[in-house]
Amino acid sequence: QITLKESGPTLVKPTQTLTLTCTFSGFSLSTSGVGVGWIRQPPGKAPEWLALIYWNDDKRYSPFLKSRLTITKDTSKNQVVLTMTNMDQVDTATYFCARMYSSGWNPWGQGTLVTVSS
Amino acid sequence: QSLLTQPPSVSGAPGQRVTISCTGSSSNIGAGYDVHWYQQLPGTAPRLLIYNDNKRPSGVPDRFSGSKSGTSASLAITGLQAEDEAHYYCQSYDRSLSGAWVFGGGTKLTVL
Repeated sequence: QITLKESGPTLVKPTQTLTLTCTFSGFSLSTSGVGVGWIRQPPGKAPEWLALIYWNDDKRYSPFLKSRLTITKDTSKNQVVLTMTNMDQVDTATYFCARMYSSGWNPWGQGTLVTVSS
Repeated sequence: QSLLTQPPSVSGAPGQRVTISCTGSSSNIGAGYDVHWYQQLPGTAPRLLIYNDNKRPSGVPDRFSGSKSGTSASLAITGLQAEDEAHYYCQSYDRSLSGAWVFGGGTKLTVL
């Protein structure tokens, strides 16, 4: 059974850096073809893809947020970490991690709500 | 503004058939990239419903089906049930702007 779970702060202040960790089980990020991504969903809005890291450390970023995002992996710990700098109120959202499945996402973690407020 | 356009809402009575459209462009669906569909119940994470245009993951009822033609795709739900009331999102890949995985704006399905 494949599972993913997000962890990190629930509240960050404007201008701070957000660090989220995705801990997964049931697959290995050292297996050829495997990728893990981050997707966020503001309240009442559609999901928005943020970043993706592949088994070979190839990294892809949303062109709209590329300057603020960094994605890394720790294969031995089965973890993927996302950092987003210069947080703003508009970044308030539920942040999900998910395994890449074909060119879609399956499964998703339960998500973690991050609120940006002073 | 999403690169994939969905109707904000659709509705149908129990037992009926409904379809949800997803309109893209020559840089995503029209370029041949696969379309995926997700169901999101309130307070839960999206769940993959259809992948690679028309395939169902294990456990998804065959009441759900997907199709694609040109720059558009559709999700069809037959034998509508109360538990199908949810938000539905299409997703594909877009090769513009250096490439990105993109989602539609979502469609709220109401079972009357």
